[in-house]
Amino acid sequence: GAVVSQHPSWVICKSGTSVKIECRSLDFQATTMFWYRQFPKQSLMLMATSNEGSKATYEQGVEKDKFLINHASLTLSTLTVTSAHPEDSSFYICSARRGGEDTQYFGPGTRLTVL
Amino acid sequence: AQSVAQPEDQVNVAEGNPLTVKCTYSVSGNPYLFWYVQYPNRGLQFLLKYITGDNLVKGSYGFEAEFNKSQTSFHLKKPSALVSDSALYFCAVRDSNDYKLSFGAGTTVTVRA
Repeated sequence: GAVVSQHPSWVICKSGTSVKIECRSLDFQATTMFWYRQFPKQSLMLMATSNEGSKATYEQGVEKDKFLINHASLTLSTLTVTSAHPEDSSFYICSARRGGEDTQYFGPGTRLTVL
Repeated sequence: AQSVAQPEDQVNVAEGNPLTVKCTYSVSGNPYLFWYVQYPNRGLQFLLKYITGDNLVKGSYGFEAEFNKSQTSFHLKKPSALVSDSALYFCAVRDSNDYKLSFGAGTTVTVRA
């Protein structure tokens, strides 16, 4: 199998606080992990690509200081939304890719609501 | 640059009828094509992919897709749809030289009993 988990599945926070979302590959080592954002009834927008042990590569328009990504091990990547604001409310989805494979396996997503 | 077009926002079919979800792509190199399905408030589930080889690819849950290079298409098909196939379907493409995926806008499939 290729199972990817995310925690938490949903979170509500106050404006100005920071929120950390974890993405784990449960039964394989992920060479690369990806973070996406999805607005209601819209497609997935790639935010950043992270490789274990190196800095994440952010897509154009994504603030690296606001969306901190850490990929400390081959099974864990974290996304921290710093000083969250209501416009950051969204569905955040991670995916992971095994070394030598082409397929990305997706986590179940995290619903973030910023009040 | 790479992109995917899913021309239909919605597809409605009766249970037992054939289901087709359309996808066309644009990529500079050799295309790697994927279909994913998403149920409400869930992540994406992998259905099938085309990398190379036979143009007809068979995947999970009875789905298949046909790669057509001349028409730059990768339509998803199922011979006999089930109510449980009702979901949001995404086509995605990447270039053979890059692992980043580009997704289509998604097609909502509704299968009525």
